[in-house]
Amino acid sequence: SQQGEEDPQALSIQEGENATMNCSYKTSINNLQWYRQNSGRGLVHLILIRSNEREKHSGRLRVTLDTSKKSSSLLITASRAADTASYFCATLQTDSWGKLQFGAGTQVVVTP
Amino acid sequence: DTAVSQTPKYLVTQMGNDKSIKCEQNLGHDTMYWYKQDSKKFLKIMFSYNNKELIINETVPNRFSPKSPDKAHLNLHINSLELGDSAVYFCASSPQGGAGELFFGEGSRLTVL
Repeated sequence: SQQGEEDPQALSIQEGENATMNCSYKTSINNLQWYRQNSGRGLVHLILIRSNEREKHSGRLRVTLDTSKKSSSLLITASRAADTASYFCATLQTDSWGKLQFGAGTQVVVTP
Repeated sequence: DTAVSQTPKYLVTQMGNDKSIKCEQNLGHDTMYWYKQDSKKFLKIMFSYNNKELIINETVPNRFSPKSPDKAHLNLHINSLELGDSAVYFCASSPQGGAGELFFGEGSRLTVL
């Protein structure tokens, strides 16, 4: 069954604006990861946040994790046209060796 | 050098045929995966191998058979292809048995007619 569910399914913004997408999951996790997928390409890892962490930054990306609400958010600040892609959250459940489960993704379109 | 490479990138075949997809990683990782991405972009894990040993085998029809000749290679053979097998198949590798990030190949788009 699907573990992570992203919201919204699609997001359209202008360059320079911030993009926020959310991920909810169902079971306890070891870590949560965010990936980007450009059209027709493979997934690229963006950031990993462990269950004992609440916030992490990487460049223009900020990820938060609220284990009590079983949710995470990814914020992309000052978006660029090159940020146009699908963004996926993936969770590694506790006591689940290597079984990283993905949601269906948020499709982000950034227009110049 | 491509870190995780899959061949072929595109595969078009008839129902009932048998086909294989190959994957190789040059990252020195111990763990490799096959994921299936459907037309709605939902990614589902199929198999995982760690040091040539099958660790994860999700509810996948037994027409799908993975093979890992060594820890740098993980191939996927599919027998008696069905229309519903049409999807993009991604190979991935990980240095930490899934506790860390996955490195994905570019995908192999399979179309069954």
